[in-house]
Amino acid sequence: DTEVTQTPKHLVMGMTNKKSLKCEQHMGHRAMYWYKQKAKKPPELMFVYSYEKLSINESVPSRFSPECPNSSLLNLHLHALQPEDSALYLCASSVWREEEQFFGPGTRLTVL
Amino acid sequence: GIQVEQSPPDLILQEGANSTLRCNFSDSVNNLQWFHQNPWGQLINLFYIPSGTKQNGRLSATTVATERYSLLYISSSQTTDSGVYFCAVGGMDSSYKLIFGSGTRLLVRP
Repeated sequence: DTEVTQTPKHLVMGMTNKKSLKCEQHMGHRAMYWYKQKAKKPPELMFVYSYEKLSINESVPSRFSPECPNSSLLNLHLHALQPEDSALYLCASSVWREEEQFFGPGTRLTVL
Repeated sequence: GIQVEQSPPDLILQEGANSTLRCNFSDSVNNLQWFHQNPWGQLINLFYIPSGTKQNGRLSATTVATERYSLLYISSSQTTDSGVYFCAVGGMDSSYKLIFGSGTRLLVRP
């Protein structure tokens, strides 16, 4: 099974709201990733977790707060977002570093 | 960092035609993947191919790591092949990080 699941599929939030995105995989992968994709652009890496520890933060604003509670679950907590943060947020996982990454279906976020 | 260039940026085909998509990269890589992004945004893994040649049905891919390029071949194209094709690479020193090319937008007409 090479499935990464993400919830919710769509999310609309105001600039003062707090919300969370959830990502789950049960493939035993030890690296998990958050990517952001704006319309008509390629995905861009935001965060990397390896063995449940944050290993890469691509200078992402603090209004995005990742969390990895266990080896199967990855969250992205959102607070005080801006309209320009509206995008498709993709989660991915891989067995380890240079191994193949598998992506979830994404959460399409709109910030009003 | 590594630069990834994909060509052509846009491609229109008649159903049944063949095509070749190209991905050039500027440095040695540990990871190279080809993806198809469908209209709903899902990135579908096509190939994990840091070197060599692979085939899967009507699709095949070749990576010549020493010359820093990869090719994706689509034969007998179908309307369901429409979408955006991305090449993504991971460098030798930071292979966690996939760097995506700008993609090739493919439209297959019936």
